[in-house]
Amino acid sequence: GAGVSQSPRYKVAKRGQDVALRCDPISGHVSLFWYQQALGQGPEFLTYFQNEAQLDKSGLPSDRFFAERPEGSVSTLKIQRTQQEDSAVYLCASSRDRGTHEQYFGPGTRLTVT
Amino acid sequence: GQNIDQPTEMTATEGAIVQINCTYQTSGFNGLFWYQQHAGEAPTFLSYNVLDGLEEKGRFSSFLSRSKGYSYLLLKELQMKDSASYLCAPRWGLTGGGNKLTFGTGTQLKVEL
Repeated sequence: GAGVSQSPRYKVAKRGQDVALRCDPISGHVSLFWYQQALGQGPEFLTYFQNEAQLDKSGLPSDRFFAERPEGSVSTLKIQRTQQEDSAVYLCASSRDRGTHEQYFGPGTRLTVT
Repeated sequence: GQNIDQPTEMTATEGAIVQINCTYQTSGFNGLFWYQQHAGEAPTFLSYNVLDGLEEKGRFSSFLSRSKGYSYLLLKELQMKDSASYLCAPRWGLTGGGNKLTFGTGTQLKVEL
């Protein structure tokens, strides 16, 4: 079956622009996570959804970051007024339910803010 | 933070065995994942340990000691394609309570001829 997909794969934004990153999780997966990965580092947690409910947004670095999953499937991570420090790979992951199951990662969106 | 510590880089020879260690804070610990990440690609799941002991899966094995806050990933019969970053990801908190992963910085493994 299809894995987690993300779009766009690459995004270049000028400082101050807004961007929207899309994640299509594996069909039927209840849990959805967003992570930010800087070059040479491990992924860092941003936010977590269980179905349409955003249960944890403790990792969002500022109020410029906003995520939603209105129908419990596709999710969008929006970054307003992008800054250079937002340049990173944004990874989306989904898992079957809220139990101890592995997370399946998408290929990521590489965001470059110039 | 949760003080996840793993070596930054390791080099090994094709056909050999390599052990990648990871230590972490034990308070509230609830399981540990290992992921493999090739450059420019998504992390892929390798193993999950929640009980003490060794879990073997083909050429890869993972070990956990809960009391010591220690895990290792053992890779046998190394192949060139094993060159990648290996991410240790302990989890803390209640089972089912979100399951967010906290990753170490990753160990960049280079396999040489």
